[in-house]
Amino acid sequence: QVQLEESGPGLMQPSETLSLTCTVSGFSLTSNGVGWVRQPLGKGLVWMGTIWAGGSTNYNSAVQSRLSISRDTSKSQVFLKMNSLQPEDTGTYYCARPRRGYFDYWGQGVMVTVSS
Amino acid sequence: DVQMTQSPYNLAASPGESVSINCKASKSISKYLAWYQQKPGKANKLLIYDGSTLQSGIPSRFSGSGSGTDFTLTIRSLEPEDFGLYYCQQHNEYPFTFGSGTKLEIK
Repeated sequence: QVQLEESGPGLMQPSETLSLTCTVSGFSLTSNGVGWVRQPLGKGLVWMGTIWAGGSTNYNSAVQSRLSISRDTSKSQVFLKMNSLQPEDTGTYYCARPRRGYFDYWGQGVMVTVSS
Repeated sequence: DVQMTQSPYNLAASPGESVSINCKASKSISKYLAWYQQKPGKANKLLIYDGSTLQSGIPSRFSGSGSGTDFTLTIRSLEPEDFGLYYCQQHNEYPFTFGSGTKLEIK
């Protein structure tokens, strides 16, 4: 069955670079994309960006200058890297499988805290 | 960016009742709206996409309607497992944007 699982460090310092991994199973990254969505603590969902099956990417302009999404199809992994972290980047980060822009399967999320 | 305004913010209902959650887009998004359910400790669940298409495996008591700027999620005959947070999302244009959420609680 389709599964996505996020992993990464739980605590980061301001100005550091966040690196998260989404490991997928039950589908191929060569025929499916993966998107990243974050949720600040107690707030709503915010789409960050998507890497599509062909390898192209789209980013939310709000974070585009700091964000990079890449993948290793042989390992069924998608990577998020975001630099210049600030406390307002604290929240839960989800990866999800996109279908023309909506998301049909989600991971359970990984909590990231940015604090000195 | 397309702003998505959800209402109400909170909703209390009893099992067996029917409820509606509204989502309004700041510009036309044609039919391209999705609804999700969020519950603690569980993966977010897609309920409806393209405004009214029921995702596979979702009970038929969930239904979506609307087009353009105004959309509604209706849940008939509420079950105990339906309580949680609900979000709408427009998937018509970048950046994809979500509503602020509606918390459905047991009365």
